[in-house]
Amino acid sequence: GAGVSQSPRYKVAKRGQDVALRCDPISGHVSLFWYQQALGQGPEFLTYFQNEAQLDKSGLPSDRFFAERPEGSVSTLKIQRTQQEDSAVYLCASSARTGDTYTFGSGTRLTVV
Amino acid sequence: AQTVTQSQPEMSVQEAETVTLSCTYDTSESDYYLFWYKQPPSRQMILVIRQEAYKQQNATENRFSVNFQKAAKSFSLKISDSQLGDAAMYFCASPNSGYALNFGKGTSLLVTP
Repeated sequence: GAGVSQSPRYKVAKRGQDVALRCDPISGHVSLFWYQQALGQGPEFLTYFQNEAQLDKSGLPSDRFFAERPEGSVSTLKIQRTQQEDSAVYLCASSARTGDTYTFGSGTRLTVV
Repeated sequence: AQTVTQSQPEMSVQEAETVTLSCTYDTSESDYYLFWYKQPPSRQMILVIRQEAYKQQNATENRFSVNFQKAAKSFSLKISDSQLGDAAMYFCASPNSGYALNFGKGTSLLVTP
């Protein structure tokens, strides 16, 4: 596609509910990143994929967070048993190769109530 | 810890005037890029300008330029001839681990007619 597409754009979840956030990167982009942006803050790194391999998940805040990219294209970020502190914008970015400039999507705003 | 500091939470500029947003960073990378991103209310992070650290010449993109001082680890953004469409959050970013980025907390730029 022409850009990085994320869905849904908004998600409201009740505390304890599981959510899945989708990222469709630019076609052919090898690298894919997830960032979490809390209100009033800059984005913080969550995890990095090179094709289908998750090479770095050091930024995932807890074992309730899980990301996958099974075929090296679309990625899903799953959050289990959501808590209020998970409320944030989740940004996905992709690049053609590691080290290239990213293209970001418009993010998913998750609100946990 | 590798950090990015943006000391100006908010800045205001009149249309057609010039404004400078400051950023200092810390990185252990030896060869790296630095970035300024713009985030309008649509939430998508848009690349404004990037600087290659091994280049002494400051990067310029139309009305946007940087003042890069490698020894001081300073990377400020100058916006000339400010336009109403420049109003947004601006984030400075430096490298982390060769592929991820560390972002500052951002500067909210207001442009007044």
